[in-house]
Amino acid sequence: GAVVSQHPSWVICKSGTSVKIECRSLDFQATTMFWYRQFPKQSLMLMATSNEGSKATYEQGVEKDKFLINHASLTLSTLTVTSAHPEDSSFYICSAGKETEAFFGQGTRLTVV
Amino acid sequence: GQNIDQPTEMTATEGAIVQINCTYQTSGFNGLFWYQQHAGEAPTFLSYNVLDGLEEKGRFSSFLSRSKGYSYLLLKELQMKDSASYLCAALDSNYQLIWGAGTKLIIKP
Repeated sequence: GAVVSQHPSWVICKSGTSVKIECRSLDFQATTMFWYRQFPKQSLMLMATSNEGSKATYEQGVEKDKFLINHASLTLSTLTVTSAHPEDSSFYICSAGKETEAFFGQGTRLTVV
Repeated sequence: GQNIDQPTEMTATEGAIVQINCTYQTSGFNGLFWYQQHAGEAPTFLSYNVLDGLEEKGRFSSFLSRSKGYSYLLLKELQMKDSASYLCAALDSNYQLIWGAGTKLIIKP
């Protein structure tokens, strides 16, 4: 099956700094990538849909200036958490679309201290 | 290594019951999720199990056996709109999600 690689797997950063998370489709081109946030033992929350070559579509309640998404190529989308705060500590997951399916990355555990 | 297995495809009849199985092997375990995904859409949350047993939620139920590394999703009174992919995902000791490839469920009239 298709592989989606997410990097880093975990990151610890200081409050006020920015963190970039990469999502790569390794063996296919993804015109659409999804970014999710997962709180412990809860459902995935869709944050935004990233479309190659155009602006991301953010879900209601997600601050687009805080969570910057760049989908610069058909194999790479990045999520940058700007001016991170402890409440941004969470598990972030990306998925990449291929035809009518979506394939998921391993997730990134972000801890802001 | 870490692994999730679930059937690739299943077919069932409208009004019937279907059980989708999922077996997992992970480094530690912090729960198991089931998601439903319709073609072209983002997945939606169905259930989360961390303790052994059956949890019922309307037409959908999810079962977990930690000792066996096994879960199933039970769908009752199947409707045509239940045609979708069903994804099983386990949370390992580092809270990394290990995803199954999904089971495509086809409902026939």
